[in-house]
Amino acid sequence: DAKTTQPTSMDCAEGRAANLPCNHSTISGNEYVYWYRQIHSQGPQYIIHGLKNNETNEMASLIITEDRKSSTLILPHATLRDTAVYYCIVRVWSSNTGKLIFGQGTTLQVKP
Amino acid sequence: NAGVTQTPKFRVLKTGQSMTLLCAQDMNHEYMYWYRQDPGMGLRLIHYSVGEGTTAKGEVPDGYNVSRLKKQNFLLGLESAAPSQTSVYFCASSYSPLQRLAGGQYNEQFFGPGTRLTVL
Repeated sequence: DAKTTQPTSMDCAEGRAANLPCNHSTISGNEYVYWYRQIHSQGPQYIIHGLKNNETNEMASLIITEDRKSSTLILPHATLRDTAVYYCIVRVWSSNTGKLIFGQGTTLQVKP
Repeated sequence: NAGVTQTPKFRVLKTGQSMTLLCAQDMNHEYMYWYRQDPGMGLRLIHYSVGEGTTAKGEVPDGYNVSRLKKQNFLLGLESAAPSQTSVYFCASSYSPLQRLAGGQYNEQFFGPGTRLTVL
């Protein structure tokens, strides 16, 4: 599985869009980009995933560059409850183990 | 539908004691996982299972054993606890690729609330 690089921490004002970048320059053609987040002391929570097209769901949007070497998770209107550690993970969709390799993630602090 | 549950939520052990952490899921997931998380770090995979009766080692398996006798349960055992095993333990489960192809579900992992273990 490809390695990812994320900033250690970011701040965002409440109500503004939070844009969390992720670099995955060694991603393979069959690897997807997954995002999870972990609110303090809780288990991680799945947010969104994508292969090459931009994706949107009720929680967030995922923008993947055309060369797939980087992506951005967008929380359109961040709230205080979005303060969490956000993990970007790349993995094949059809993995026969389903394993996720977590890095350090980005700590997002949403401020009033 | 309770999702993924973990028992106990907290535990304090003395060095050398043994214990078993229980993970249960009611989503008919084939795959189950045990992770540990140390302060300021991401999760690290201890052991995982791709089906009833099967287990495999993850990144940090030493000092732990697991069993998957029933599809819905995944047990993590510490035979002789050490202070280095003080951590928060998370269990997770997910569909297998075959289950996903049949039902179209995404391959997301669902996590339990965690067990905080302190070894003195």
